[in-house]
Amino acid sequence: EADIYQTPRYLVIGTGKKITLECSQTMGHDKMYWYQQDPGMELHLIHYSYGVNSTEKGDLSSESTVSRIRTEHFPLTLESARPSHTSQYLCASSDIRGPYNEQFFGPGTRLTVL
Amino acid sequence: DAKTTQPTSMDCAEGRAANLPCNHSTISGNEYVYWYRQIHSQGPQYIIHGLKNNETNEMASLIITEDRKSSTLILPHATLRDTAVYYCMENGNEKLTFGTGTRLTIIP
Repeated sequence: EADIYQTPRYLVIGTGKKITLECSQTMGHDKMYWYQQDPGMELHLIHYSYGVNSTEKGDLSSESTVSRIRTEHFPLTLESARPSHTSQYLCASSDIRGPYNEQFFGPGTRLTVL
Repeated sequence: DAKTTQPTSMDCAEGRAANLPCNHSTISGNEYVYWYRQIHSQGPQYIIHGLKNNETNEMASLIITEDRKSSTLILPHATLRDTAVYYCMENGNEKLTFGTGTRLTIIP
């Protein structure tokens, strides 16, 4: 089993609130990722990181921000939540070594902004 | 945008082999073919990957055509728990691009 954790699993919050979605992994992976997925739709990469102090924007533009101060921790923050941010957010990690890219996913955070 | 093409949905009888096709006609020489699946909005789960040769693991087999333009994922004895969306992707760097996948339904 992959050891990657996301909290909270479900979050219902009002418009304008600041929120932070937590993601932690205990596998020592250098690469970490955030994906956004609307119900029944595709996953879209919104942020990724190669390691500590590295953050990159993904393929889908997002108003969220991320930080990578520790290898095991990759939190995602929304400064002012809006209903358009309602979605599922999935975190993943992978090992930087080797020629291929097996990503391990967390269980996701389902965010609802009222 | 995803560069692979998969059928939108498929059904398979429980206990039979499920064969999921994927076209990746633009794949380049150093790109791997990856398969993941997602069960009911859980986080996607890695299944298998390959470059040129056919591959097999405890979950599935991957058959890649000689020209590498298509592949087939085989679940040898499908169970109800294999009902999921299956994604085929080509990848040569850190990023995976998920398309719409194939929704596989295992019929009792």
